[in-house]
Amino acid sequence: DSGVTQTPKHLITATGQRVTLRCSPRSGDLSVYWYQQSLDQGLQFLIQYYNGEERAKGNILERFSAQQFPDLHSELNLSSLELGDSALYFCASSSYWQEPVGELFFGEGSRLTVL
Amino acid sequence: ELKVEQNPLFLSMQEGKNYTIYCNYSTTSDRLYWYRQDPGKSLESLFVLLSNGAVKQEGRLMASLDTKARLSTLHITAAVHDLSATYFCSLQGGSEKLVFGKGTKLTVNP
Repeated sequence: DSGVTQTPKHLITATGQRVTLRCSPRSGDLSVYWYQQSLDQGLQFLIQYYNGEERAKGNILERFSAQQFPDLHSELNLSSLELGDSALYFCASSSYWQEPVGELFFGEGSRLTVL
Repeated sequence: ELKVEQNPLFLSMQEGKNYTIYCNYSTTSDRLYWYRQDPGKSLESLFVLLSNGAVKQEGRLMASLDTKARLSTLHITAAVHDLSATYFCSLQGGSEKLVFGKGTKLTVNP
């Protein structure tokens, strides 16, 4: 158990809908990362937050947004869903004070299926 | 932009055999990570390699890093079925994010 909690584990929805994925980082970790894993694209970095502020942005679509709240949990919002958004979405957290710095701890993922 | 290439992408091997997975990367980095992922599961950290010449071993897996060649290897010794998984190497690509290779799907057959 990595200590990173993601909900929901599975989600089935229709095209055009909107969903919210939630992540609670490991206790004490200030950084949260979101990754998308699909068969054809592999693991793609979406976005990183550090202590509530956006730190880095990757290949995140404009239809997607995220935020990190004062209690450090994070949410990834996916809207106007398309079939191609079906994927496993991972949240990861890391610590800046515990060596080795930069190591990511991943949650179990949220599997999104868009029909 | 950091590129991370792994090969092979698919590896089918027999129990008891040895093999090596290679990870090449395009820009200088002083730390490299190996992760394991079982089908439909999360990624689990295996090794963190922090300097040139670093070697780490756990069980039948040994990872090494050559920063001058921009190459890391993950060597499997006397493979067993339990090692069947997908193995990823990754490096920091700026702003602390990790950039991952496409992964090597290892299948160990009896």
